[in-house]
Amino acid sequence: EAGVAQSPRYKIIEKRQSVAFWCNPISGHATLYWYQQILGQGPKLLIQFQNNGVVDDSQLPKDRFSAERLKGVDSTLKIQPAKLEDSAVYLCASSLPVPPYEQYFGPGTRLTVT
Amino acid sequence: SQQGEEDPQALSIQEGENATMNCSYKTSINNLQWYRQNSGRGLVHLILIRSNEREKHSGRLRVTLDTSKKSSSLLITASRAADTASYFCATDPSAGGTSYGKLTFGQGTILTVHP
Repeated sequence: EAGVAQSPRYKIIEKRQSVAFWCNPISGHATLYWYQQILGQGPKLLIQFQNNGVVDDSQLPKDRFSAERLKGVDSTLKIQPAKLEDSAVYLCASSLPVPPYEQYFGPGTRLTVT
Repeated sequence: SQQGEEDPQALSIQEGENATMNCSYKTSINNLQWYRQNSGRGLVHLILIRSNEREKHSGRLRVTLDTSKKSSSLLITASRAADTASYFCATDPSAGGTSYGKLTFGQGTILTVHP
């Protein structure tokens, strides 16, 4: 079974630039999650999708972050404009849409904002 | 916000010894999960324990849950160098029997197992 795919694996940008991350979940996983993991901390949930719809985006900084999941499969997370404090690993996870929602994580994208 | 807090922050042991990590949380939960993260395999789900369970085993892993104290522990027996990683507890804070998969992770425990 193929795992969660993410790209790019690494990205370096300057502050105020924009960046986009892509995620392809495990086939059949209707629920998709984006997490932000700052160095030395645990992952923090940014947004949760169920198919095309947003289940929870309460911790997404909506003034600069946006995410979409067209057709209920792939998803993109965008940051515009980036700030220094956005430097982190962005993790995508997916799960079946039923409890207990066991999540499978992708390798992540390490973003450095200079 | 980080609900779970792991203790200790770092743990260093010799191969063959047991490793115990603790997690405390603040709100009612539907379930609590433990994950492992290392550079080679990313974040991997280890074990899930539901709020109505007290203990669960999986191979060399033993997890306990005390909902009255809002705490959990992860025991790794007969540790190996390959167990070197960061370990996170994650709580699904949904109460009342409903889970939505909205996990809140703790800060993690860094485990180093020396050969």
